[in-house]
Amino acid sequence: GAVVSQHPSRVICKSGTSVKIECRSLDFQATTMFWYRQFPKQSLMLMATSNEGSKATYEQGVEKDKFLINHASLTLSTLTVTSAHPEDSSFYICSASYIDTQYFGPGTRLTVL
Amino acid sequence: GEDVEQSLFLSVREGDSSVINCTYTDSSSTYLYWYKQEPGAGLQLLTYIFSNMDMKQDQRLTVLLNKKDKHLSLRIADTQTGDSAIYFCAESALNQAGTALIFGKGTTLSVSS
Repeated sequence: GAVVSQHPSRVICKSGTSVKIECRSLDFQATTMFWYRQFPKQSLMLMATSNEGSKATYEQGVEKDKFLINHASLTLSTLTVTSAHPEDSSFYICSASYIDTQYFGPGTRLTVL
Repeated sequence: GEDVEQSLFLSVREGDSSVINCTYTDSSSTYLYWYKQEPGAGLQLLTYIFSNMDMKQDQRLTVLLNKKDKHLSLRIADTQTGDSAIYFCAESALNQAGTALIFGKGTTLSVSS
């Protein structure tokens, strides 16, 4: 139980385009989902907390107009990287909260050319 | 602010026990977690411990918590090559959006046969 999926697993895009990443809780409902970013050989950096039906709460230094988060249902949150640039290339991981624990998706590798 | 510290590398031989240590700063953390990350993958929840517990054992995994010293450890008995991965310690912390996880930088465990 408590499985979280992400789609796509890997995406390559041109600079200036927008990319949408989906995070789904497959066998449970998640009121709260989280989006993290991980640079190579580094820890996870929390970008934002997404609560179903309300606006996401962004961590300090994260541009909310660049990283659009939508949590329209209890099983789906999306992260859209708008006007992506090479410095946005990273590993993006989502998690969903279930009974005091966060369960993580497999991650999405974004490469911006 | 909250901070979680881990040693960066640990190298053991197959069959030996591995002990990964972690220190944290937020004494109000309700739960402390250990996650495992294999190359190119998301985080897999290994185990977690409630802050009022001293020890938790789950098959080959033993978690010890010293709340006074804010020290958490993960012991893996009979370490196997398949245990090679990055292990993240995390504490729960309250932020403006609710409860978030604060991660250490991760300990890379290398198991040689």
